[in-house]
Amino acid sequence: GESVGLHLPTLSVQEGDNSIINCAYSNSASDYFIWYKQESGKGPQFIIDIRSNMDKRQGQRVTVLLNKTVKHLSLQIAATQPGDSAVYFCASGQNFVFGPGTRLSVLP
Amino acid sequence: DTGVSQDPRHKITKRGQNVTFRCDPISEHNRLYWYRQTLGQGPEFLTYFQNEAQLEKSRLLSDRFSAERPKGSFSTLEIQRTEQGDSAMYLCASSSWTREYEQYFGPGTRLTVT
Repeated sequence: GESVGLHLPTLSVQEGDNSIINCAYSNSASDYFIWYKQESGKGPQFIIDIRSNMDKRQGQRVTVLLNKTVKHLSLQIAATQPGDSAVYFCASGQNFVFGPGTRLSVLP
Repeated sequence: DTGVSQDPRHKITKRGQNVTFRCDPISEHNRLYWYRQTLGQGPEFLTYFQNEAQLEKSRLLSDRFSAERPKGSFSTLEIQRTEQGDSAMYLCASSSWTREYEQYFGPGTRLTVT
């Protein structure tokens, strides 16, 4: 079946540094990919999405890159802040498939 | 607060009992989704509605699970004859048909089956 997965289950970065969270997917037909942030005790929160016909999309302090050749996408967070500490999920919009998540810890 | 709400937030039940959860989506959203999330995992899709029509059901949704959205507004998820393996967080999300992939999640209902 379709799978979406992240490369690292945990990631620690220093406050102020840039964070890069990576994700791989299996379904070439997926037309949308989405990144969500989930803080402890809360439901996932939409961050940004990208259509499959795009390579890059920028939001506020976040950039998502999509490489369809290798079926890989990444979420870059600029100037990481303590409030960015959470679990980040990539998801395929095609069949509502979520990856297992990467826990981002921001160190002071 | 105009976000997605879920009730109850926590439910403890004994194995074999039936439970029902409620989700109230964002009022102008016509799509509503149910997911299940276990510790350390991403949400797993269960089913979704467009207005009152249930358009897709995951094979994870066994015969003991049923979801309804009778008037196209709130939705209920019922689990009959609960099993310990049903213990999880049940998440509801909603979206508009124009931005279907931008889903807004509720806080979830944590189910513990003893």
